[in-house]
Amino acid sequence: GAVVSQHPSWVICKSGTSVKIECRSLDFQATTMFWYRQFPKQSLMLMATSNEGSKATYEQGVEKDKFLINHASLTLSTLTVTSAHPEDSSFYICSARAWPSPGNTIYFGEGSWLTVV
Amino acid sequence: AQTVTQSQPEMSVQEAETVTLSCTYDTSESDYYLFWYKQPPSRQMILVIRQEAYKQQNATENRFSVNFQKAAKSFSLKISDSQLGDAAMYFCAYRIFGNEKLTFGTGTRLTIIP
Repeated sequence: GAVVSQHPSWVICKSGTSVKIECRSLDFQATTMFWYRQFPKQSLMLMATSNEGSKATYEQGVEKDKFLINHASLTLSTLTVTSAHPEDSSFYICSARAWPSPGNTIYFGEGSWLTVV
Repeated sequence: AQTVTQSQPEMSVQEAETVTLSCTYDTSESDYYLFWYKQPPSRQMILVIRQEAYKQQNATENRFSVNFQKAAKSFSLKISDSQLGDAAMYFCAYRIFGNEKLTFGTGTRLTIIP
């Protein structure tokens, strides 16, 4: 079946630095990818929609200059957390829509734990 | 705005028994999809079952079935013959037809008692 892979699975960075998380579709083309954030014991909150070849669409309240999203190819989207702070520590999950697929099936990556110290 | 509500933060069931997880949603749309996702301790989101709103027949996937009540905007998940591997967080989710954004409920933590 379709697979979405995220890298790294977990990362620790110092406050003030930037960190990049990759989301790859391994066996299908993904015209659209999504980035979610999940705090402990909470639900997934959509941060932004990443569209191949165009600017990402951010949800209300998400700082686009802090969470940079790039979707340069049909198989890769990256999320860069710039000038990270401890409050950015969270679980970040990407998902991708397989194209073509029955019912536009959406697949999720394994997620990435970010800890900012 | 669309909202998804899961009123049961935690549920437990004896192994081999049946459990039902509740989900209600609010929308003014007529064409949409509903989903149940499972998130085990590994945090990988796994699609359990999906339902198209235009279909009256309830979706079924092996031991998992839904009770979809469109007028009541209710979408419950029934797990039959519960197994230890079913232990996880379960999220109800909603998506408008033609829109790829998923809106998730707050989740229900399911514990299986051996």
